[in-house]
Amino acid sequence: GQNIDQPTEMTATEGAIVQINCTYQTSGFNGLFWYQQHAGEAPTFLSYNVLDGLEEKGRFSSFLSRSKGYSYLLLKELQMKDSASYLCAVRASNYQLIWGAGTKLIIKP
Amino acid sequence: KAGVTQTPRYLIKTRGQQVTLSCSPISGHRSVSWYQQTPGQGLQFLFEYFSETQRNKGNFPGRFSGRQFSNSRSEMNVSTLELGDSALYLCASSLAGGFLETQYFGPGTRLLVL
Repeated sequence: GQNIDQPTEMTATEGAIVQINCTYQTSGFNGLFWYQQHAGEAPTFLSYNVLDGLEEKGRFSSFLSRSKGYSYLLLKELQMKDSASYLCAVRASNYQLIWGAGTKLIIKP
Repeated sequence: KAGVTQTPRYLIKTRGQQVTLSCSPISGHRSVSWYQQTPGQGLQFLFEYFSETQRNKGNFPGRFSGRQFSNSRSEMNVSTLELGDSALYLCASSLAGGFLETQYFGPGTRLLVL
């Protein structure tokens, strides 16, 4: 079957760094997406990885290792507004996006 | 450019009824995907439409159906509602649903079945 695993919840301190992991097993791989979803709102796109390595975009970076079926999202200089759920999704071979259940990130002052 | 819009935003129905939800994609986008989101379950893929054709379907019962019109607007219908259908229903659009494309989500329709 197809499966994406993420931690259910993480807590971090304002100003710190947090890494949210995502492991996947899918039928085919055509890229991995990270989305952010604030409570009661729609998911918004953060990053896309299709090749191994690190993609940096401001305070957010995303890493991919296709051989290990592993990705992480790194958030630096955490701000209170970063409190949200972070969703990992993999584009499988049939165009379909397979989604993880999301990681709820709680930022404490 | 206007974003993805969904109507209605909130809906309360009773078991056995049916419901129709609407999604208008970003102008120029021809691919529309529908998802069900429940706490702890993540996004569950319902189906994807491209150019008025269903291109992909998730593992949901036949009570869940959809369609897409020539202007790319899409509707999904749920018949014979069950309590477990209570969820946030999200639609997302992209240009053509290609591998590299980002999906843009609407605000969702929150359905409560009593």
